[in-house]
Amino acid sequence: LAKTTQPISMDSYEGQEVNITCSHNNIATNDYITWYQQFPSQGPRFIIQGYKTKVTNEVASLFIPADRKSSTLSLPRVSLSDTAVYYCLVAGMTTDSWGKLQFGAGTQVVVTP
Amino acid sequence: DGGITQSPKYLFRKEGQNVTLSCEQNLNHDAMYWYRQDPGQGLRLIYYSQIVNDFQKGDIAEGYSVSREKKESFPLTVTSAQKNPTAFYLCASSPDKGIYGYTFGSGTRLTVV
Repeated sequence: LAKTTQPISMDSYEGQEVNITCSHNNIATNDYITWYQQFPSQGPRFIIQGYKTKVTNEVASLFIPADRKSSTLSLPRVSLSDTAVYYCLVAGMTTDSWGKLQFGAGTQVVVTP
Repeated sequence: DGGITQSPKYLFRKEGQNVTLSCEQNLNHDAMYWYRQDPGQGLRLIYYSQIVNDFQKGDIAEGYSVSREKKESFPLTVTSAQKNPTAFYLCASSPDKGIYGYTFGSGTRLTVV
């Protein structure tokens, strides 16, 4: 399974855009990239997932360059309620790798007024 | 509304006692998972199950046991063999190999005294 590396923490002000970059140098051909958000004492919540190029939903955008060795989660115009830990994961679709999502320590995003 | 229910939310047990954490889902998901989270750290996989009556060990299965007798239920037993059981336990489910994301429960905080 591909190991991921992301910043430990990021600070932002309300209304700004927050970009969290995750590196996954040994991502495999069948792997896809997914991001989760977790608030204290709650379970993680699925945000977005992608395989290549750009994916956008109502919450965030995910940018994946052609070599897929990194990805960037973009949170537009953050609010105080976006203060949370964000996890980048690489998940496989093969029989050997499914079910084994590896959650690292994540990135603590703190949004202040 | 569909979702995952974990109970109880808080659990206190004396050292040396076995304890069972409940996880029920009504999402009709095939796969279910158990994770453990320690303060300031990411999630670590304990067990996962793709179908009824089948489950596999995750990264930290020692001292834990599970059963999957029904599609909607995946209880976790923390045995006395688990050396450091105090933690936040999270159950999750997914419709397939997780490509559409995992749905997490709200967790059970277990404290062993």
